[in-house]
Amino acid sequence: DIQMTQSPSSLSASVGDRVTITCRASQSISTYLNWYQQKPGKAPKLLIYAASSLQSGVPSRFSGSGSGTDFTLTISSLQPEDFATYYCQQSYSTPWPFGQGTKVEFK
Amino acid sequence: QLQLQESGPGLVKPSETLSLTCTVSGGSISSSSYYWGWIRQPPGKGPEWIGSISYSGSTYYNPSLKSRVTISVDTSKNQFSLKLSSVTAADTVVYYCARQHRFGELSFWGNYMDVWGKGTTVTVSS
Repeated sequence: DIQMTQSPSSLSASVGDRVTITCRASQSISTYLNWYQQKPGKAPKLLIYAASSLQSGVPSRFSGSGSGTDFTLTISSLQPEDFATYYCQQSYSTPWPFGQGTKVEFK
Repeated sequence: QLQLQESGPGLVKPSETLSLTCTVSGGSISSSSYYWGWIRQPPGKGPEWIGSISYSGSTYYNPSLKSRVTISVDTSKNQFSLKLSSVTAADTVVYYCARQHRFGELSFWGNYMDVWGKGTTVTVSS
């Protein structure tokens, strides 16, 4: 199975900061990589699919990049509503695993 | 606007079968563009994909759960369902249903989960 590893597991940031989260796959997954945001008690919300495609309705401050094994989610200017946990997920091969998550906390 | 809603017992006894249904509203389940999936999430951990089904009944299952999982679809009711047998306390988690949007070729395709239900907590306890 392909393993997904996110880093860091948590980070502290302030409103307006540029935030970068990394996801690494244990083998190449081309661009079959999705990013989700999850707030406490809520279902995950799709932000980015196919590594860099912005889901409809998601603010443009979110962007994704990468291919092969290394991927990045960037929030260009952190907003109060962005404090949440972020997960990557690969859809290259089943069982389509998620990463362990990155919690973005208020500094 | 498409909505998904999980339903089913919130409490299941150990060794019994957990049964959940996801009702799709605001759109049809009968589209070749989508699969319909079940995902679960333990407290404080990342989501875990359980399995998925197409409207025609084609299924994919997570190998770690495959021996205990059955997913079915009822297009007449716009619903799909999950059965997880021989449950233990480790199956006490939040269960979500989601729409999986397919893209790519028929022979090799990717997907993303673009619409989710709100989730339901199932507790396994006697």
